[in-house]
Amino acid sequence: DGGITQSPKYLFRKEGQNVTLSCEQNLNHDAMYWYRQDPGQGLRLIYYSQIVNDFQKGDIAEGYSVSREKKESFPLTVTSAQKNPTAFYLCASSGAGSYNEQFFGPGTRLTVL
Amino acid sequence: GENVEQHPSTLSVQEGDSAVIKCTYSDSASNYFPWYKQELGKRPQLIIDIRSNVGEKKDQRIAVTLNKTAKHFSLHITETQPEDSAVYFCAAFKTSYDKVIFGPGTSLSVIP
Repeated sequence: DGGITQSPKYLFRKEGQNVTLSCEQNLNHDAMYWYRQDPGQGLRLIYYSQIVNDFQKGDIAEGYSVSREKKESFPLTVTSAQKNPTAFYLCASSGAGSYNEQFFGPGTRLTVL
Repeated sequence: GENVEQHPSTLSVQEGDSAVIKCTYSDSASNYFPWYKQELGKRPQLIIDIRSNVGEKKDQRIAVTLNKTAKHFSLHITETQPEDSAVYFCAAFKTSYDKVIFGPGTSLSVIP
């Protein structure tokens, strides 16, 4: 299914808690991305990374943090500073250079109780 | 930065009819325009893409057209089938920007 996995599929969190979403790919892709999707809305970019040990903020980075210590992994931490974290989170990866298709993971649905 | 608009937000067609979704982008330097399909509860998947040096591309029942001067591109689905029902996202990409900007999506319903 594209070689990119996310875990867990469903995640419940109490208010005030940090939580980390996992994203792993075995496609040897350089670039990885995190998107947030709210019901009936599009894909909003949270963070992206073009290379190991480097990442950039997307359009809605506040309240989130990431790391890119390995090429295969790009975990996303949703911190307590994120005021409305309940959403569907999608990770994606793509090869380097132009015209490269983004492959998406199956997503994690986060619900704050 | 780049901004991508998409219309309509919802679209209902009878099975067998055609469906057209239109997108506009703001940055004339964008040079790659993919279209993704997301079925309910699933991940988005690329269905067709077009580069800025091409005006039209077709793949079976799906076609995409690009008008660089007007900065808009469209997805055309002919002979629609119920399995075409999904949310469709257009996107624009600029090499130097290094990230894809997605439109807000169009929810397509094909009525049997």
